[in-house]
This record gives sequence, C-alpha cells and structure tokens, in this order.
Amino acid sequence: NAGVMQNPRHLVRRRGQEARLRCSPMKGHSHVYWYRQLPEEGLKFMVYLQKENIIDESGMPKERFSAEFPKEGPSILRIQQVVRGDSAAYFCASSPIGAIQETQYFGPGTRLLVL
Amino acid sequence: QQPVQSPQAVILREGEDAVINCSSSKALYSVHWYRQKHGEAPVFLMILLKGGEQKGHEKISASFNEKKQQSSLYLTASQLSYSGTYFCGTHNSGGSNYKLTFGKGTLLTVNP
Repeated sequence: NAGVMQNPRHLVRRRGQEARLRCSPMKGHSHVYWYRQLPEEGLKFMVYLQKENIIDESGMPKERFSAEFPKEGPSILRIQQVVRGDSAAYFCASSPIGAIQETQYFGPGTRLLVL
Repeated sequence: QQPVQSPQAVILREGEDAVINCSSSKALYSVHWYRQKHGEAPVFLMILLKGGEQKGHEKISASFNEKKQQSSLYLTASQLSYSGTYFCGTHNSGGSNYKLTFGKGTLLTVNP
C-alpha cells in the first residue's frame, strides 16, 4: 500500500518563477492537507482540501499561493513569482476523512530553494 | 495557539529514558505525536484523545492530562533508531476538527 507521494522531492527556482508541487494521497484518502516547514521550526498549516473543494485556506498567504485537488490527479500547490522567503520544505498529508481522531499521514516533502 | 514543547533538545545514551512534554494554553481535544528524521517525512506515532487516555506501543507511550492541558511522550530503554525530532500536533477544543497546530519540536539524540 503506497504511502503519500510528493514530487518533485527537490525544486530550485529563481526569484519570479513559478513553483508547482504535487501530492498524491494514500489510496482511499480523499482529504489532503498542506504544511510548510522552515528550518528549526514546526509544521505550519496552509490549506485543507477535499476532492474539488478547498475547505480551509486560512494558513495560506493571500497572494501568489494557490492550491487545488481536482477530481482526477494529484493535489497541486502552486506558488507564483517565488521569492527567497518561500524557500522551505512543503509537506502534504492525507487522511480518509477529516476528523480529529483521524491520523494524518505525511509525504516525504518537497524542498523548495529559491535563488 | 502553538503548543510549547520541552525540552528543546535532549541527548541520551542507548538504554536511557526520556520524557518530552507538550503544553497548550488552550483546552486540548487531541494530541498527535510524530517523529521526523532529518530530510524525511514526519512519521505518525500515536493519537491521544480527550479523556486522560494513555497509549503506547513497545517502549514508547504517552499520556494526556486534560486539566494541565498537557501531553507527555515517554521513551524507555531508548534505541539508536529513536533519534530524530519529535513533534506534537494539537487540536484545541472548539477549534477546527482537522487543522493540527504543531510545536517547534524536540530534538532527541541517542548515542551508543
């Protein structure tokens, strides 16, 4: 049973370019969460999606960041016009349902470096 | 509100015990514990739900003290494989039923 998949694992972008991060949840999971982790920091919630719906994007910067989880295919976190401060590890997690007692299973992350 | 973890770092010799604490300023509904090795995904350890439940598997267990708004993770007879950063993620009572708020982590190093 494959776990949560993320690609690419490492991504280098120059300032002003776009970054696209992909997340395929575990089989049978329809809930996806994106978190950002800065060095020496914990994981910070960004957005929670179900298939074709954004449920909560309260942790996402208002500009340049967007997320989607289409009916078919992976969830995508898109960062437009990247800046150096966007450099971080981005993790997605998935769960079968969105409930307090549900475990969120994390993927290996995408490490974004903005030059 | 971000939970506070203590200690920030701990160094053990193989076979020694450790306790990691996770405290919240708000009433807790659940606490999720994860371990993350450098450059890897956080790996789920256990969930504790409101009710003072204690859980464990093998030599890692945890408790949840509702009154103190705190959870503690106990690692006994530590092994080299226990090294990593331990994070607690919390759901606060009255908060969303999905958004985990993580502490800054506790770096555990187990030496031979």
